[in-house]
Amino acid sequence: DAGVTQSPTHLIKTRGQQVTLRCSPKSGHDTVSWYQQALGQGPQFIFQYYEEEERQRGNFPDRFSGHQFPNYSSELNVNALLLGDSALYLCASSLGDSGETQYFGPGTRLLVL
Amino acid sequence: RKEVEQDPGPFNVPEGATVAFNCTYSNSASQSFFWYRQDCRKEPKLLMSVYSSGNEDGRFTAQLNRASQYISLLIRDSKLSDSATYLCVVNENFNKFYFGSGTKLNVKP
Repeated sequence: DAGVTQSPTHLIKTRGQQVTLRCSPKSGHDTVSWYQQALGQGPQFIFQYYEEEERQRGNFPDRFSGHQFPNYSSELNVNALLLGDSALYLCASSLGDSGETQYFGPGTRLLVL
Repeated sequence: RKEVEQDPGPFNVPEGATVAFNCTYSNSASQSFFWYRQDCRKEPKLLMSVYSSGNEDGRFTAQLNRASQYISLLIRDSKLSDSATYLCVVNENFNKFYFGSGTKLNVKP
C-alpha cells in the first residue's frame, strides 16, 4: 500500500524564479492538502484540493497556486519566489472532504537564495 | 491571535516519567482534533485523534474540553523513543486544518 509520495525531495531556487512541487496521495485517497512548514514552526495550511477543485485556502498570496489531476495527484506552484518561501512543503492526503485523518508525505525542502 | 497555541517547551523528563501537554484553540466551532508527532526533519505522523469522551491508546491519553477550548495529551512511562515534537491539530470546518507550533519533548536516560 503506497503512502504519500512527493517530488523532488530537495530544491534550490533563486529569488524571482518559479517552482512546481508534486504529490501523489496515498492509495484510495482523493483529497490533497498542502502545507508550508518554516523552521521551528508548525505546518501552515496553504490549500486543499478535492474533485480537482480548490476547496479551502489558508492565508497565502496568489503566488501560491495548485492543481489536482483526475488521478488525484496534485501540484503546488509558487511564482516570484521570495527568500521567505524557503521551507519544508508538505503534502497530506485524506479520503473525502469531511475532515478525515490526513497522512503526510516526506515533504520537499525548498531553499530560495 | 493564533488559531492553535501550544507551549513550545522543551519538556525535559527522565525515562519513566509522566508528562502532559496542553493546547488551546480559538474557534469554538472547530470540528475535530488530533495529535501528531514529528521527528526531526521528518513528516508529521498521526499519533491519535481526540474525542469529546477522551481516548486512550496504550501509554497515551488524549482529552478534549470544548467548554474551555483546550486539548491535552498525557504520556505515561515515557520512553527514549518518545522524544519528538508533538503537534496539536484542529480542523475548523471540515477542510481547514490548523497546526500548533509544536511542543518539544526530550526524554533522558
